[in-house]
Amino acid sequence: GAVVSQHPSWVICKSGTSVKIECRSLDFQATTMFWYRQFPKQSLMLMATSNEGSKATYEQGVEKDKFLINHASLTLSTLTVTSAHPEDSSFYICSARYRVDYEQYFGPGTRLTVT
Amino acid sequence: KQEVTQIPAALSVPEGENLVLNCSFTDSAIYNLQWFRQDPGKGLTSLLLIQSSQREQTSGRLNASLDKSSGRSTLYIAASQPGDSATYLCAVNYNAGNMLTFGGGTRLMVKP
Repeated sequence: GAVVSQHPSWVICKSGTSVKIECRSLDFQATTMFWYRQFPKQSLMLMATSNEGSKATYEQGVEKDKFLINHASLTLSTLTVTSAHPEDSSFYICSARYRVDYEQYFGPGTRLTVT
Repeated sequence: KQEVTQIPAALSVPEGENLVLNCSFTDSAIYNLQWFRQDPGKGLTSLLLIQSSQREQTSGRLNASLDKSSGRSTLYIAASQPGDSATYLCAVNYNAGNMLTFGGGTRLMVKP
């Protein structure tokens, strides 16, 4: 149980285009999903927290108009990188939890490369 | 600002050795602490979760300890194997809201 998937697992896009990444909880309802970014040989940095049916809460320094997060259902959250630039190239990982006092379960990550 | 530090950043050991990875955190008022494993280009696999009321957790060859008063946790790996090669991350949850603060990770290489 407690499986989180991400799609796509990797994507290459051209500078200026937008890319959507999906995060799904496959066998539980996730009231909260988290989005992290990880640069090579660095740790995970929390970008934003999204609760189902409400606006995401972004961490300081993360542009909400550039990284659009939607959590429309209890099993799906999406992260859209708008007008992507090469510096947005990174590994994006989502996690999901059932309830506030429950453990987070992590997805396998999405490798984004912007050329 | 809550900070989580992992030492060493990288470690290379021969197969069969017992080893200890360290994690320190600046604020001792934690809710729980978690150790993860990350293989290159992959997501995170949860290894052990220690609640603030616990002092250690064990799973197979892994043992994690927690000392809140000193702001430290250790991950002990017994009889290391090449398959243990990965990056190990510790993450601290400072409140029941489960906002994880990650350390920088320790990249472990176990040589056959």
